[in-house]
Amino acid sequence: DQQVKQNSPSLSVQEGRISILNCDYTNSMFDYFLWYKKYPAEGPTFLISISSIKDKNEDGRFTVFLNKSAKHLSLHIVPSQPGDSAVYFCAASLYSSASKIIFGSGTRLSIRP
Amino acid sequence: DAGVIQSPRHEVTEMGQEVTLRCKPISGHNSLFWYRQTMMRGLELLIYFNNNVPIDDSGMPEDRFSAKMPNASFSTLKIQPSEPRDSAVYFCASSYYRDRGSDTQYFGPGTRLTVL
Repeated sequence: DQQVKQNSPSLSVQEGRISILNCDYTNSMFDYFLWYKKYPAEGPTFLISISSIKDKNEDGRFTVFLNKSAKHLSLHIVPSQPGDSAVYFCAASLYSSASKIIFGSGTRLSIRP
Repeated sequence: DAGVIQSPRHEVTEMGQEVTLRCKPISGHNSLFWYRQTMMRGLELLIYFNNNVPIDDSGMPEDRFSAKMPNASFSTLKIQPSEPRDSAVYFCASSYYRDRGSDTQYFGPGTRLTVL
């Protein structure tokens, strides 16, 4: 039973446009959410996070939105750049035991020129 | 500043052999995690340690898998005997654990294991 779901295995976006990656979760007890980015032959790297007490967190070109009632979060990248081409993992945890992070299956983002 | 170091980067072995994967966490970090990534199951947590003590090993697939952390700067994940279905990329990650949960996890480059 997947607790964190990324239903789009891949996404292609034109350079300069907005990339929107989506994630759904089933456990209403999750209260901390993260996005990781992964390049081939490298480990995932932390990108941005959001606590459940917020509905938006922004860091440069990256913004994460959280809709708790829908158990949905999204990552917006504006503007998209070629270096953004990677696999993006959504993840969630119970902040009280934040060591255990549950990852989604990932979305491969391709930025085309 | 060195990140998480994993060795070997690639391992090819035959079914039934023992495999040992190694990890050196970032200096000063006191939490260590072992993950496995496969096409079928994605990125899944196998086990994690806080201050060298195993906290949750519920993700370890079966008794063939074992993990140790003898000190703060070294951990091993052992598979004995190995099977073809163990083929995957194994990641180690580390973070700093406080009373109110852990800080960001930093991942190593992974070990790609192929069991023939």
